[in-house]
Amino acid sequence: GAGVSQSPRYKVAKRGQDVALRCDPISGHVSLFWYQQALGQGPEFLTYFQNEAQLDKSGLPSDRFFAERPEGSVSTLKIQRTQQEDSAVYLCASSLDPTGVGGYTFGSGTRLTVV
Amino acid sequence: GDSVTQMEGPVTLSEEAFLTINCTYTATGYPSLFWYVQYPGEGLQLLLKATKADDKGSNKGFEATYRKETTSFHLEKGSVQVSDSAVYFCALGPGNQFYFGTGTSLTVIP
Repeated sequence: GAGVSQSPRYKVAKRGQDVALRCDPISGHVSLFWYQQALGQGPEFLTYFQNEAQLDKSGLPSDRFFAERPEGSVSTLKIQRTQQEDSAVYLCASSLDPTGVGGYTFGSGTRLTVV
Repeated sequence: GDSVTQMEGPVTLSEEAFLTINCTYTATGYPSLFWYVQYPGEGLQLLLKATKADDKGSNKGFEATYRKETTSFHLEKGSVQVSDSAVYFCALGPGNQFYFGTGTSLTVIP
C-alpha cells in the first residue's frame, strides 16, 4: 500500500484481556519498528525487525509483550494479560533501508485503552 | 546513552510570527537528526532531516541546522500559519532505534 496501515485504530480492553495489534508496512520495506507513545510523551522504542528477523527487542517492557513478523511483511504486536499501564498509542513504522537513515514512515497508530 | 532534550511547550503564536523550537542531543558517534510532526489524530510525519554536522534540513518553510559544536538541532520557521498547529518531535538516529524528545505542542492563532 501507499502508507503504513495499522489496525484497529482504537482498542478498548478489559484488564487481563489479551490484545493483538496489526501493522501492514509499505510494500518492500525491509525494516519494521514498534514504538509505544504514552500520553504527552514522545515515542519509545519497543522492538525492531529486519525482514522476518527480530533483531532487537530490548524495549519490550515485560514478557507480556510479544511481536512477530513471520513472513517479513505484516507484523503483529501481542500484549497478554493487559494492565492499565499498557494504555498508550502503539505506533508502527517501516523503512526501506535497514537502519532508517532516511527516516521512518509511521502509521497512524493504535490507541489502546485498558479499563 | 543517546538522548534528546526538547523545549517544553505548549507554544502559542500569532499567525506570521517567527518560530523556534529548541532541541539538544547527547550521542556517541555521529548521529543523524530529524524533526517529525504530528497533526491531531494522525501519525508522525517526517518533516526534515540532517545527516551530518553543518547540514541544514528544510521543508515547508521549516529549517534546522545540525550544530555539532553546540549539539543542537533547533527548528525554525520565519512565518507560521494556522495549519502549522501540531506537535513537533526532535529525534536522533539511525540505528535499531530512534530516540525521540517529549514533543512540543504548537498552536498558531489567527
